[in-house]
Amino acid sequence: EAGVVQSPRYKIIEKKQPVAFWCNPISGHNTLYWYRQNLGQGPELLIRYENEEAVDDSQLPKDRFSAERLKGVDSTLKIQPAELGDSAVYLCASSSQREGGTGELFFGEGSRLTVL
Amino acid sequence: SQQGEEDPQALSIQEGENATMNCSYKTSINNLQWYRQNSGRGLVHLILIRSNEREKHSGRLRVTLDTSKKSSSLLITASRAADTASYFCATDQGNNRLAFGKGNQVVVIP
Repeated sequence: EAGVVQSPRYKIIEKKQPVAFWCNPISGHNTLYWYRQNLGQGPELLIRYENEEAVDDSQLPKDRFSAERLKGVDSTLKIQPAELGDSAVYLCASSSQREGGTGELFFGEGSRLTVL
Repeated sequence: SQQGEEDPQALSIQEGENATMNCSYKTSINNLQWYRQNSGRGLVHLILIRSNEREKHSGRLRVTLDTSKKSSSLLITASRAADTASYFCATDQGNNRLAFGKGNQVVVIP
């Protein structure tokens, strides 16, 4: 079974340019997460989807970041315009619904963004 | 805010030795999970321990959880060069949000 697929793996842009990342979760996983990971740090949650509904986007900088998950499968994360501080790895993860709290997350390889 | 603070931050050991790293957190949790991340790759789930469990094993991994001290430890026995990676603890705080710590870089010297 295929894992979580992300693209692009690497992206270099100049500040003020837009950028978009795409994620295809594991088939059947209804929960999808976008995390941002700065160098030497742990991942920080940006947004969580349950099917097509964004149920936790409190940490998404909404002035420049947007995300969507049409039809509850693939998701895109967009930054417009990008700033120097947005340089990071953007990780997508998915999980299946379970009782008793959050279960195992399956991560993609990440999209490394460099803003010049 | 990010929960989970691993200690020590960086660890360098010889192959065959055991590696121990700790994680502390601040609020009550449903479960605590450990993940591994190789350089330039995504995170891989290692083990999950529920709040009502005290110890769990998986292969060469041993995880303990002390909810009274709000801390957990991850022990890797008989380390191998392939264990070189960053290790993160993550806490499920009961709101379906998994909060990750800053990570613990482990280098196993062959």
